[in-house]
Amino acid sequence: QITLKESGPTLLKSTQTLTLTCNFSGFSLSTSGVGVGWIRQSPGRAPEWLAVVYWDGDNRYLPSLHHRLTIMMDSSKDHVVFRMTNMDPVDTATYYCAHRKTFYGSGSYYDFWGQGILVTVSS
Amino acid sequence: DFQMAQSPSSVSASVGDSVTITCRASQGIGTWLAWYQQKPGRAPKLLIYGASSLQSGVPSRFRGSGSETDFTLTISNLQPEDFATYYCQQANGFYAFGQGTRLDIK
Repeated sequence: QITLKESGPTLLKSTQTLTLTCNFSGFSLSTSGVGVGWIRQSPGRAPEWLAVVYWDGDNRYLPSLHHRLTIMMDSSKDHVVFRMTNMDPVDTATYYCAHRKTFYGSGSYYDFWGQGILVTVSS
Repeated sequence: DFQMAQSPSSVSASVGDSVTITCRASQGIGTWLAWYQQKPGRAPKLLIYGASSLQSGVPSRFRGSGSETDFTLTISNLQPEDFATYYCQQANGFYAFGQGTRLDIK
């Protein structure tokens, strides 16, 4: 059974750096096609995809936020770390990590999600 | 910027009804599209991937169709647990989501 859980600070001040950890079980980040992504959702808004790290260590970022984001998997490949610099009140959101599965011939999708962590940024 | 336009933004229906939600991509994405269901306080749940493939465990009353720029999600014989918000998401690049469609009980 695949499970993911986000952890990290729930309250930050403007300009601080957010560091979140995604601990997961039930899959291996060494498996070809697998990835772990981060998606956030501001209150009352649609989700916004932010970043993904792939089984081979490659990563992708949302272009508009690329300069602020870092995603990496731990050398043990049993958790993923996400960082977002220069936080602002508009970055207040629930941040989710999710398992990315490749459905061969149909693309790659996020089929298991963590419960999310609400991060509030104050000015 | 790549965008996904979803409509309607909200819809009301009764148990047993059918509803259709549409999603339009700003450029062709083949069939690289997913539909998610989200309930308050919960993470999104994958319903449909590849535009029309049902995720494991999802009831067959959910049906997805479409390709390139125009996609639809149809829910037949609505059940009480189906009242939620639905999002489309493109999977051909940076995983942009639509704005969402809230499905309420009439």
